Amino acid sequence: QKEVEQDPGPLSVPEGAIVSLNCTYSNSAFQYFMWYRQYSRKGPELLMYTYSSGNKEDGRFTAQVDKSSKYISLFIRDSQPSDSATYLCAMSEWDDKIIFGKGTRLHILP
Amino acid sequence: EADIYQTPRYLVIGTGKKITLECSQTMGHDKMYWYQQDPGMELHLIHYSYGVNSTEKGDLSSESTVSRIRTEHFPLTLESARPSHTSQYLCASSKGSQETQYFGPGTRLLVL
Repeated sequence: QKEVEQDPGPLSVPEGAIVSLNCTYSNSAFQYFMWYRQYSRKGPELLMYTYSSGNKEDGRFTAQVDKSSKYISLFIRDSQPSDSATYLCAMSEWDDKIIFGKGTRLHILP
Repeated sequence: EADIYQTPRYLVIGTGKKITLECSQTMGHDKMYWYQQDPGMELHLIHYSYGVNSTEKGDLSSESTVSRIRTEHFPLTLESARPSHTSQYLCASSKGSQETQYFGPGTRLLVL
């Protein structure tokens, strides 16, 4: 079993819809949880960074961490065509060795 | 946008050639990383450095080597390229532990 599982998609939703992206993990020692966005032919850029359980909101983006279920989510409200990208979940223990998911390809349809 | 640069962006090269992928950052970050990413697959850490003269192998075995002679520079070298080295190589840096890792744009390598 991989440490981090993420559905690769692709996920296609109409513009304006709420998008839900998810990852599950097996290592209960993970403390830091991240979501990266990667546009085609670019490097990943950090979207959200959370420590331990709970919610974090930044504009149209909300990250949720449920450590009891080993499940993290990223919600995108009022999705835009510019949100079309691959979204990578990532997590780490106490050090900075990050374990990445495979990424979910998201297409927002105009 | 993060100040981390990678050259070349694309490289097509024949088997057996020696190649060096360049990575530079102007943020004064102590920690730097090299990841390998194949299409539809996870990023895998292949090398990292905590500072000048510090280099460590990552979780994914790689035939490449790295050096860290200057804080801002973290080149990756393949002594003899093979088709199995075809991949995207991403460089990243961070200020310290639990700090955000900033990624460069990547180098897409194709070995014929």
